Amino acid sequence: DGGITQSPKYLFRKEGQNVTLSCEQNLNHDAMYWYRQDPGQGLRLIYYSQIVNDFQKGDIAEGYSVSREKKESFPLTVTSAQKNPTAFYLCASTNYRPYSGNTIYFGEGSWLTVV
Amino acid sequence: AQTVTQSQPEMSVQEAETVTLSCTYDTSESDYYLFWYKQPPSRQMILVIRQEAYKQQNATENRFSVNFQKAAKSFSLKISDSQLGDAAMYFCAYRRGETSGSRLTFGEGTQLTVNP
Repeated sequence: DGGITQSPKYLFRKEGQNVTLSCEQNLNHDAMYWYRQDPGQGLRLIYYSQIVNDFQKGDIAEGYSVSREKKESFPLTVTSAQKNPTAFYLCASTNYRPYSGNTIYFGEGSWLTVV
Repeated sequence: AQTVTQSQPEMSVQEAETVTLSCTYDTSESDYYLFWYKQPPSRQMILVIRQEAYKQQNATENRFSVNFQKAAKSFSLKISDSQLGDAAMYFCAYRRGETSGSRLTFGEGTQLTVNP
């Protein structure tokens, strides 16, 4: 079945550590996105990528980094510079094709907690 | 820049009744898609319904339907015969059509409670 896989589901980070959240899709989608969601809040865009080896900052990129070396993979690194990283992180993907539905697909999310 | 506004942070409905969630958006584009997503406590984002801007007919999916008013830039979701399982956070979302390099824009969400 096609879809998006995020891992790990739960992750604990110590102060000063970098951690990487994985996002893999087998939908052959061009565009991939990372969102952060705090409790009771909406989705805030961290980074997005429209094509391999290219990505753009979203609204809250500070303290995060990404790479897009392969079409199917878009990992997010939460660096020690992100002072309040405890949140739920969602990865999404979509395509830009004429009349093909262009639905946005989501992974199941990753919970990151600072301990 | 595109914006999406959901003016109702919380809504409640009695089981078996009908409820309408509001969404307005702002864009200068003519080609775009609109979505409603449901997020239950598990946090999984579930597609409820999708509307292509070039289609005049309002989308329907079983008990879910939309009222798409393109000129007014309004995209409301109607849930008929509400069920307890409909309780969730609902997000309205916008994306541009065929043009790459664009964001996906979400509203702030509406928390729907279904009362038995």
